[in-house]
Amino acid sequence: AQKVTQAQTEISVVEKEDVTLDCVYETRDTTYYLFWYKQPPSGELVFLIRRNSFDEQNEISGRYSWNFQKSTSSFNFTITASQVVDSAVYFCALTTGETSGSRLTFGEGTQLTVNP
Amino acid sequence: EADIYQTPRYLVIGTGKKITLECSQTMGHDKMYWYQQDPGMELHLIHYSYGVNSTEKGDLSSESTVSRIRTEHFPLTLESARPSHTSQYLCASSELGAGTGFTDTQYFGPGTRLTVL
Repeated sequence: AQKVTQAQTEISVVEKEDVTLDCVYETRDTTYYLFWYKQPPSGELVFLIRRNSFDEQNEISGRYSWNFQKSTSSFNFTITASQVVDSAVYFCALTTGETSGSRLTFGEGTQLTVNP
Repeated sequence: EADIYQTPRYLVIGTGKKITLECSQTMGHDKMYWYQQDPGMELHLIHYSYGVNSTEKGDLSSESTVSRIRTEHFPLTLESARPSHTSQYLCASSELGAGTGFTDTQYFGPGTRLTVL
């Protein structure tokens, strides 16, 4: 069985603050893939990033960065200098690929509110 | 990225009506999925398909049904809508990536917000 936990239900910050969204996962498979999605108020899920279990290199994309640590089974997401447009629900997700039929297991989501 | 479309975006109907939620993608993806998302935010997989004439039930039991007659089209049908079906329904598609390894990524449509009165 696999599980994704996003312990932070809601986070509220003031614009320009840095914010980190936590994601902890559980799986028995040695090969797996982790994702982050953003869901703005309009409702669609926007794909942000995918990492596989063999690549622990952290990634930076503009104001976004991701810290993948297998030792703690975590895949945390940091937004630097947050902006009001970052306000959304963010989902972390896991798949073990072929063994799970490509099915994604989602975390509960973290509602991020960035106040001006 | 996938181009994936859902219609209608919003639907308000009365109890007992039959409805079909449309989902189409233009990228030729073999795999398609339907998720249900209640106001509490968590997403639940209710149906998926790995190709034409292939459909499977997901993790959350649903009274809806799906069909996959064409690669690009994956409609979801409720024969008799009830207030308990009020939710947001999200469609997604994915394909195996080229090159080494498994690189399946699901891309989502804009969703249909269904309200059953």
